[in-house]
Amino acid sequence: GEDVEQSLFLSVREGDSSVINCTYTDSSSTYLYWYKQEPGAGLQLLTYIFSNMDMKQDQRLTVLLNKKDKHLSLRIADTQTGDSAIYFCAERTYSSASKIIFGSGTRLSIRP
Amino acid sequence: KAGVTQTPRYLIKTRGQQVTLSCSPISGHRSVSWYQQTPGQGLQFLFEYFSETQRNKGNFPGRFSGRQFSNSRSEMNVSTLELGDSALYLCASSVDLHASSGANVLTFGAGSRLTVL
Repeated sequence: GEDVEQSLFLSVREGDSSVINCTYTDSSSTYLYWYKQEPGAGLQLLTYIFSNMDMKQDQRLTVLLNKKDKHLSLRIADTQTGDSAIYFCAERTYSSASKIIFGSGTRLSIRP
Repeated sequence: KAGVTQTPRYLIKTRGQQVTLSCSPISGHRSVSWYQQTPGQGLQFLFEYFSETQRNKGNFPGRFSGRQFSNSRSEMNVSTLELGDSALYLCASSVDLHASSGANVLTFGAGSRLTVL
């Protein structure tokens, strides 16, 4: 079946690294995505990774994919107050190519 | 390049009424997906349209329907509104979500916030 799970909350100190984790169930995932949602706004794509990759880095963002464990993580280096938002993990699979399934989102809060 | 436009941004309805929400995708995008976002359930997939055809549908009752026009604009309709339909309804577009090549990322609109009283 299709299910994407994330923890609901994460609190980190400003300047530290944030690591947001996600697990998924469908082994036929093709692409996995990370989106960010700020208050009152829609979702904004941060980055994505193809299922045959295990890591992707983009400036302060690092995505790690463990396909064996069906685990995806997003690391934000040097977390800033502007990173406060809800972060969604999502997957697209071969079985449902025209549907992207989202997790419930992780609310990231930054402590001074 | 204009983004995804959703109208109206906010609306208030009462139980039993119906509502129609509109979505204009990015120019050149032919795939439109709809999601319902609630605090308890996160983002739930409603349906996806491409070239005026519904290709995929989520687990929602028949009160939720949609359509897509020849210019790729899409509408969704909810009839006989219930209190539990209060949510942020998000529309997202992509070139072709079913295409086998490329990441086919979704670009989201700001959403239509529906309150049912």
